[in-house]
Amino acid sequence: GAGVSQSPSNKVTEKGKDVELRCDPISGHTALYWYRQSLGQGLEFLIYFQGNSAPDKSGLPSDRFSAERTGGSVSTLTIQRTQQEDSAVYLCASSTQASSTDTQYFGPGTRLTVL
Amino acid sequence: GENVEQHPSTLSVQEGDSAVIKCTYSDSASNYFPWYKQELGKRPQLIIDIRSNVGEKKDQRIAVTLNKTAKHFSLHITETQPEDSAVYFCAASKQAAGNKLTFGGGTRVLVKP
Repeated sequence: GAGVSQSPSNKVTEKGKDVELRCDPISGHTALYWYRQSLGQGLEFLIYFQGNSAPDKSGLPSDRFSAERTGGSVSTLTIQRTQQEDSAVYLCASSTQASSTDTQYFGPGTRLTVL
Repeated sequence: GENVEQHPSTLSVQEGDSAVIKCTYSDSASNYFPWYKQELGKRPQLIIDIRSNVGEKKDQRIAVTLNKTAKHFSLHITETQPEDSAVYFCAASKQAAGNKLTFGGGTRVLVKP
């Protein structure tokens, strides 16, 4: 079946602009996660959604970052007033539910470049 | 919060030799430990995982061991092949934290033919 998809695959923006990144999880997956991977670095947790529960925003680096998940499916990560340090690959992952051992499947990522 | 340390950061092996990557974690409540392989420009792909009620798991040339007492786990790749060249990430999670993954810094593995 279809895996996790993300769009756009690449985004170049100017400092100070807002950007929106989209994630389509695997159908039926109730848990959705956003991670960030800076150049040559590991993956850093940003936010996760589980069903209709309030999202865990504990990993968001600043109040310029926000995310929503509409209808329990598609999610959008928004970065306002982008800064150069926001340049990274933003990865989305989904799993069947947020239990302790459910495999997270990753999307291909969106490479964000802030000039 | 959880902290995961991964060593080495780079590993070069001759084709056919074994490769071992080690990770330590700080939160004794963590109970799920996946390993992801990421090829250049590609998404991370799960290659093997282990739950805290198991000490060892093997899948063909790949094996993972877990020592809960010492809070460390390792990835073992035997009979390495050039296609094993990639960056490998270990991670840890626990249900109480919604299974959000805390990743190690990654190990770049190069298998020389």
